[in-house]
Amino acid sequence: AQTVTQSQPEMSVQEAETVTLSCTYDTSESNYYLFWYKQPPSRQMILVIRQEAYKQQNATENRFSVNFQKAAKSFSLKISDSQLGDTAMYFCAFNEGSNYQLIWGAGTKLIIKP
Amino acid sequence: DTAVSQTPKYLVTQMGNDKSIKCEQNLGHDTMYWYKQDSKKFLKIMFSYNNKELIINETVPNRFSPKSPDKAHLNLHINSLELGDSAVYFCASSQAGRGNYGYTFGSGTRLTVV
Repeated sequence: AQTVTQSQPEMSVQEAETVTLSCTYDTSESNYYLFWYKQPPSRQMILVIRQEAYKQQNATENRFSVNFQKAAKSFSLKISDSQLGDTAMYFCAFNEGSNYQLIWGAGTKLIIKP
Repeated sequence: DTAVSQTPKYLVTQMGNDKSIKCEQNLGHDTMYWYKQDSKKFLKIMFSYNNKELIINETVPNRFSPKSPDKAHLNLHINSLELGDSAVYFCASSQAGRGNYGYTFGSGTRLTVV
């Protein structure tokens, strides 16, 4: 069964710093998709970034980028020039591709300090 | 226009009552989901419907019953509410009947049972 592990329950950095959130997953599939979701205090779940496993190029969205290491089954999220509005829970999620379900990590609480 | 709309946003009720949460999506997605997020922020899937057909039915108390009158609507009815049902409930939808593109979430319903 697929699993997703986020080993950092909580992190905090100063505003404008760069922070990396880690995510590892376990699967025997070769075709799959990975996601990072953000949940700010407003509780809305927001898709931050999506990565297709068969694409070697790391996905980026403005200040958010991923380091996708397929062989290591690692999918970390880098936030550059962090802002106070980045304070949120961040969830890593996995989808097998032929499946409906997303498999979720336990989340990392990120606090950006002024 | 809200893509996935849940009502109500907050629900406070007494033990033993019956309540419903409604969800509607205007994205044209075929698949809809109900998730429960507990106090530790862990996301647990409860149900999923694909074009009005129940496709995921996780182990939840049978006091919880989903209903999908059409593919744009998925409601959650809860009978005989218990203190342990207090949580945030999210509705979500996905396109193409799979999770490849992730989910679009509603804003959540915070249910408090007193």
